[in-house]
Amino acid sequence: SQQGEEDPQALSIQEGENATMNCSYKTSINNLQWYRQNSGRGLVHLILIRSNEREKHSGRLRVTLDTSKKSSSLLITASRAADTASYFCATDTGRRALTFGSGTRLQVQP
Amino acid sequence: KAGVTQTPRYLIKTRGQQVTLSCSPISGHRSVSWYQQTPGQGLQFLFEYFSETQRNKGNFPGRFSGRQFSNSRSEMNVSTLELGDSALYLCASSLEQGGFDEQFFGPGTRLTVL
Repeated sequence: SQQGEEDPQALSIQEGENATMNCSYKTSINNLQWYRQNSGRGLVHLILIRSNEREKHSGRLRVTLDTSKKSSSLLITASRAADTASYFCATDTGRRALTFGSGTRLQVQP
Repeated sequence: KAGVTQTPRYLIKTRGQQVTLSCSPISGHRSVSWYQQTPGQGLQFLFEYFSETQRNKGNFPGRFSGRQFSNSRSEMNVSTLELGDSALYLCASSLEQGGFDEQFFGPGTRLTVL
């Protein structure tokens, strides 16, 4: 079963704009991770935020975590056409398994 | 370092057959996990191995099994294939220093069951 739901399911923006994706989950977590997937290929790890952290940055990525609301957001600033992909949040609840959200399909128009 | 490799990349089988998929983790990684990805169910956890021991198993029928070898390479087997087993099967490895952290995924094996 999927722990997380992502919002929106699909997002289309112009190059240079910012893209924000949201993820909600149901149970307590150790950490939350974001992954990118290009066209049915393998997933690429983007960023990990632990349950005791509220915000984390990595290059053009900014992730926030609100454990009281059981939600996280991923912000990609100054989007590029190469950012076109599906983005998934995944939670680690201590079961030695990641539970993935349903994903957001991001299309960045050049 | 070479990334996670999965073989074969594509596979076509018929119902009732069995299949074995292989995963070679990044050198030094001892944890290997398997996931199934389908359009309908999304990404679902199959099992996780560490030092040849299965530590966790997802909610899949017994037709799905796996194992890990002493060199950390892992295989998963699906017996008596059903149409619904058509999916992208992803393997991930991790270094696991102090926790279940960043997972490094392979390119996946796309299985089609006819």
